[in-house]
Amino acid sequence: SQTIHQWPATLVQPVGSPLSLECTVEGTSNPNLYWYRQAAGRGLQLLFYSVGIGQISSEVPQNLSASRPQDRQFILSSKKLLLSDSGFYLCAWSVRHGRNTEAFFGQGTRLTVV
Amino acid sequence: AQKVTQAQTEISVVEKEDVTLDCVYETRDTTYYLFWYKQPPSGELVFLIRRNSFDEQNEISGRYSWNFQKSTSSFNFTITASQVVDSAVYFCALSEGGNSGYALNFGKGTSLLVTP
Repeated sequence: SQTIHQWPATLVQPVGSPLSLECTVEGTSNPNLYWYRQAAGRGLQLLFYSVGIGQISSEVPQNLSASRPQDRQFILSSKKLLLSDSGFYLCAWSVRHGRNTEAFFGQGTRLTVV
Repeated sequence: AQKVTQAQTEISVVEKEDVTLDCVYETRDTTYYLFWYKQPPSGELVFLIRRNSFDEQNEISGRYSWNFQKSTSSFNFTITASQVVDSAVYFCALSEGGNSGYALNFGKGTSLLVTP
């Protein structure tokens, strides 16, 4: 069966510090991968999606970046965090070319920038 | 523009009451997909149902039922005989076309509180 792992679960980082959140998927190949952010406990905003290794598309301009170094690995990064980057970050995967498939989500990372 | 609207921000019911969560969507595609997710306090999103635009048949799964009406662009979710464990934030989502890698476009969610 497929599983998705996301870590860390919680993170407190000072303003200006770097960020690296990692997500890995097991039990499937060539998935579509996504990073969402949920601010203030409501509403999910799509940040990045990837349809293949090295292929990253950004939905919202910001100081975050994403990378996909391996087929089932998706990383969210920042060189310098802002207070506004605080939120709940969720990684998700879906079957590639699966227009009619649901996305499966990781446990999420609660990031607090102080 | 918001493509998925969940007008109810918060709903509070007493256990055993029925409750309906509303979802209205907007799309120009003829083929699209609608979803409902549950987010319990732990934060993880749990998939509940997927429905494609060509299937307007309502669906029932235990205490859960979904009413899809293309004429009103709505995909409402009803919980019958609610229980405390149903307390969560519920999200409706839309997937359309190949844009954004088939990513789901979520509504802002409805927070449901079921009290004993």
